[in-house]
Amino acid sequence: GAVVSQHPSWVICKSGTSVKIECRSLDFQATTMFWYRQFPKQSLMLMATSNEGSKATYEQGVEKDKFLINHASLTLSTLTVTSAHPEDSSFYICRSYSNTEAFFGQGTRLTVV
Amino acid sequence: AQSVTQPDIHITVSEGASLELRCNYSYGATPYLFWYVQSPGQGLQLLLKYFSGDTLVQGIKGFEAEFKRSQSSFNLRKPSVHWSDAAEYFCAVGGAGGSNYKLTFGKGTLLTVNP
Repeated sequence: GAVVSQHPSWVICKSGTSVKIECRSLDFQATTMFWYRQFPKQSLMLMATSNEGSKATYEQGVEKDKFLINHASLTLSTLTVTSAHPEDSSFYICRSYSNTEAFFGQGTRLTVV
Repeated sequence: AQSVTQPDIHITVSEGASLELRCNYSYGATPYLFWYVQSPGQGLQLLLKYFSGDTLVQGIKGFEAEFKRSQSSFNLRKPSVHWSDAAEYFCAVGGAGGSNYKLTFGKGTLLTVNP
């Protein structure tokens, strides 16, 4: 079974609203969480890295006020897309890292209309 | 900076034929190398990884990859492709430990399998 549960698997929202994506680590503690974005027919691009209890580190070009990341516990991290616009439509996927292993979530397909 | 190049955007093979997907990487230290497969609309599944040791790595679903340091390559192979192997394949490179365990992905190779 999945060791990282990402929810929701898909979501459609109206432009201007916010969407929260959750990633839960099952059966292990995720000291670090990586959030990626994948545009259609493109590769995964790292958006940010977060360590439990610390502020996330964002990659160049990623707006931290738009993509809010919370990693308050070792088993839960959230990505909130604030004031979403159609250009934010993408596939978002988390990757949980413990001391020895890393696992991807199933991904979230976000469509902003 | 680390980078991954997958020279082939799209490959078509016949079912039962052999397969090789190319991957070249750039990394300043000893790399950790990965191959992932992604079916449409799905997350990523790890096929295999190389950290150290034997340079020929066996993975799931009959896949293998060979690390060649002199060529900075980590090509994925399968002797006989099945229709269910049709998917997008990503090669990735990363480093060791802690928050440095980031992965840089190649742009992917789309595999089509003809009956």
